[in-house]
Amino acid sequence: SQQGEEDPQALSIQEGENATMNCSYKTSINNLQWYRQNSGRGLVHLILIRSNEREKHSGRLRVTLDTSKKSSSLLITASRAADTASYFCATDDGDYKLSFGAGTTVTVRA
Amino acid sequence: GAGVSQSPSNKVTEKGKDVELRCDPISGHTALYWYRQSLGQGLEFLIYFQGNSAPDKSGLPSDRFSAERTGGSVSTLTIQRTQQEDSAVYLCASSPGYGSDTQYFGPGTRLTVL
Repeated sequence: SQQGEEDPQALSIQEGENATMNCSYKTSINNLQWYRQNSGRGLVHLILIRSNEREKHSGRLRVTLDTSKKSSSLLITASRAADTASYFCATDDGDYKLSFGAGTTVTVRA
Repeated sequence: GAGVSQSPSNKVTEKGKDVELRCDPISGHTALYWYRQSLGQGLEFLIYFQGNSAPDKSGLPSDRFSAERTGGSVSTLTIQRTQQEDSAVYLCASSPGYGSDTQYFGPGTRLTVL
């Protein structure tokens, strides 16, 4: 069953702007992961944040995790056209099955 | 190195026919997952294999769906008597081992049931 819910469903920004998307979940987790999907095909793992971490960076990506609010955010700084994709959060509650949200579709306009 | 591969990339079939979807995981990865993604939706877990352990089939939507993994490597997802609601992208992923590991996804198979 789906646990993560992304917000907004869709986001359109100008190249160079920052993009922020949020994920809320319902139950306790071991970690939360963010994936990117281009053109409705394979997913690419972006970043994993563990339940005892609050913030993590990877290149232009910044992820935060607030376990008290059961929420996470993904920030993409200085967006590029190549960042146009769907972004999914996935929660791992320790039983090896990732629960994915419905995703946020990001469009970066040139 | 080679990533997860899936075949075919696209499959169009008629309602009532059986289909087989194949997944080749990353060499050495002991865990293998199948997911289904309907249009505009997130991923729905179908089945999980870990080494020689019995698979977790709890996500399979009906008994028309089955999967096997031969020799701990290649996996085949079979859908019997396909229905139009089976139309979706079927994604396979593998990971190095049991537990909270990153999953590496294949490009998926887009199944269309007419």
